[in-house]
Amino acid sequence: AQTVTQSQPEMSVQEAETVTLSCTYDTSENNYYLFWYKQPPSRQMILVIRQEAYKQQNATENRFSVNFQKAAKSFSLKISDSQLGDTAMYFCAFMTSGGSNYKLTFGKGTLLTVNP
Amino acid sequence: SQTIHQWPATLVQPVGSPLSLECTVEGTSNPNLYWYRQAAGRGLQLLFYSVGIGQISSEVPQNLSASRPQDRQFILSSKKLLLSDSGFYLCAWSVGDLNTEAFFGQGTRLTVV
Repeated sequence: AQTVTQSQPEMSVQEAETVTLSCTYDTSENNYYLFWYKQPPSRQMILVIRQEAYKQQNATENRFSVNFQKAAKSFSLKISDSQLGDTAMYFCAFMTSGGSNYKLTFGKGTLLTVNP
Repeated sequence: SQTIHQWPATLVQPVGSPLSLECTVEGTSNPNLYWYRQAAGRGLQLLFYSVGIGQISSEVPQNLSASRPQDRQFILSSKKLLLSDSGFYLCAWSVGDLNTEAFFGQGTRLTVV
């Protein structure tokens, strides 16, 4: 079975500071992709960043970057220069192929609040 | 461009009544389709996913079922709703490749009373 664990139900950060959201996962598959999605109060799911499991280089998208530790099955998200608009629920997710047929599994989420 | 339609946006149903939520995708073919439930204050629970017509994988034994009668249509159903079926239901699609993002519908807020 594949699982995604986000151990921080809620976090807060001051505007302009940096925050890191943690995520661990478990799978027996070798080929998979990892994602971070955000869900603002509007409830619309938005892709933040993605990481290929076979790439060692950590993905970066503007103020968002990941720390991917494959051996530890860890995939944390770092948000730099936090902005008020970053306030949202953040979900870690991963997708596998093969026996799991493109199954997309999410964690329980971390509610991030950016304070002015 | 691709779009996903999910309806209705809100629904209030009595216990024991049937349910049918529909999701359709436009602008792509042979998408992977997903149904998720988001209970209050909780994460996204994968309910069903489908990689093709008539192919449904169920993740959690429950009071719900899913069907894919057409390539770009995914239906979530129940014969008799329970109070515990209340929640926010999201439909999503992705193309048949690992690295593509999933696109989500606007969601359905279901309240069973």
